[in-house]
Amino acid sequence: TQLLEQSPQFLSIQEGENLTVYCNSSSVFSSLQWYRQEPGEGPVLLVTVVTGGEVKKLKRLTFQFGDARKDSSLHITAAQPGDTGLYLCAGVDTGRRALTFGSGTRLQVQP
Amino acid sequence: DSGVTQTPKHLITATGQRVTLRCSPRSGDLSVYWYQQSLDQGLQFLIQYYNGEERAKGNILERFSAQQFPDLHSELNLSSLELGDSALYFCASSEVLGAGTYNEQFFGPGTRLTVL
Repeated sequence: TQLLEQSPQFLSIQEGENLTVYCNSSSVFSSLQWYRQEPGEGPVLLVTVVTGGEVKKLKRLTFQFGDARKDSSLHITAAQPGDTGLYLCAGVDTGRRALTFGSGTRLQVQP
Repeated sequence: DSGVTQTPKHLITATGQRVTLRCSPRSGDLSVYWYQQSLDQGLQFLIQYYNGEERAKGNILERFSAQQFPDLHSELNLSSLELGDSALYFCASSEVLGAGTYNEQFFGPGTRLTVL
């Protein structure tokens, strides 16, 4: 069974701080996706990283895929209260056709 | 708004009962996925349908079943409900068959099931 471990599980920071969320697995994925989920809603895709070592930027969010395609990180610069939510990484395994989700990181940004 | 609709939004029922959750995918999407999200297990894949046919199974209990109809809407049936079945149930849809590299899944707002 492929597992994705996210750390930290919970993070409470002040507006303007930087943070990094990690997503680790012992398995190789063909690509990895990051989602954000807000209360009462379903997850929304933020980014897909495909190539080992790939870095993608989405405004203040920077996503990196590990060289071995087993891990990924999400870095947020100058966090804002609007960044509050549950961040989920999901491994894409074309063989299984389904997403394997990480355990999630619940982020709260205090104004 | 993802374009995926789920009904009902909330469902409260008793142990031993049976319920049906409904999902309408985005217009044009042929694949439908069902996920269960609970506090202790996170978001877990249950089952996938593509154009009416079951294509992949995840951690779905034998008490649970699903189907996709000719109009592409899907239903998830949960029977002999137990307290531990209380969770958020999400439906997602995508254009193509699998969770391919660039294939985005669009999630509905979920159905919150409470079993008392």
